[in-house]
Amino acid sequence: DGGITQSPKYLFRKEGQNVTLSCEQNLNHDAMYWYRQDPGQGLRLIYYSQIVNDFQKGDIAEGYSVSREKKESFPLTVTSAQKNPTAFYLCASSRRQGLSYNSPLHFGNGTRLTVT
Amino acid sequence: DAKTTQPNSMESNEEEPVHLPCNHSTISGTDYIHWYRQLPSQGPEYVIHGLTSNVNNRMASLAIAEDRKSSTLILHRATLRDAAVYYCILRDAGEYGNKLVFGAGTILRVKS
Repeated sequence: DGGITQSPKYLFRKEGQNVTLSCEQNLNHDAMYWYRQDPGQGLRLIYYSQIVNDFQKGDIAEGYSVSREKKESFPLTVTSAQKNPTAFYLCASSRRQGLSYNSPLHFGNGTRLTVT
Repeated sequence: DAKTTQPNSMESNEEEPVHLPCNHSTISGTDYIHWYRQLPSQGPEYVIHGLTSNVNNRMASLAIAEDRKSSTLILHRATLRDAAVYYCILRDAGEYGNKLVFGAGTILRVKS
């Protein structure tokens, strides 16, 4: 079955270390997204990519970096510059937007990152 | 900031219909209305979306007001598995639709 795989499900790091979260999709989607969710809150957009080798900052990009070298992969690096990295991270993908077509997002099951 | 307004929580009895409201008074002509739901410790799941006309699928129905300033997600017979956080969001057609804003959503509790 097609879908989005995020790994690992739980991740623990020491403060000051960079950490990379994996996101892979086999839905043949052009667009991919990273969101952050804090307890009891909605989702906030970190980065998104509409096509390979291109990505844009979302609302809370500071302290994060991404790459999009392959269509199916969109890894997120949480750097030591991110002040409050402990959160639930969600990756999503969709077909590329078009003026006559509006595509739903498909989400992975998230990675819960804890930094101490 | 979220462009939609939803109640913080709602409660329903099992096997009864549930109507989840959403206000979006500043909706633009190119905004589609999307609904997602999220179970604890999982990613959101797409439920339904529409532009102007009411929409039905196997999961739910979406009723859109004539002026498009509000909409209602209808679960025809709530089950315990429908207990989740429901998000109503607007997705612009075209490139700007990549910047989706998810508010806190509505927590739906289903009683047996």
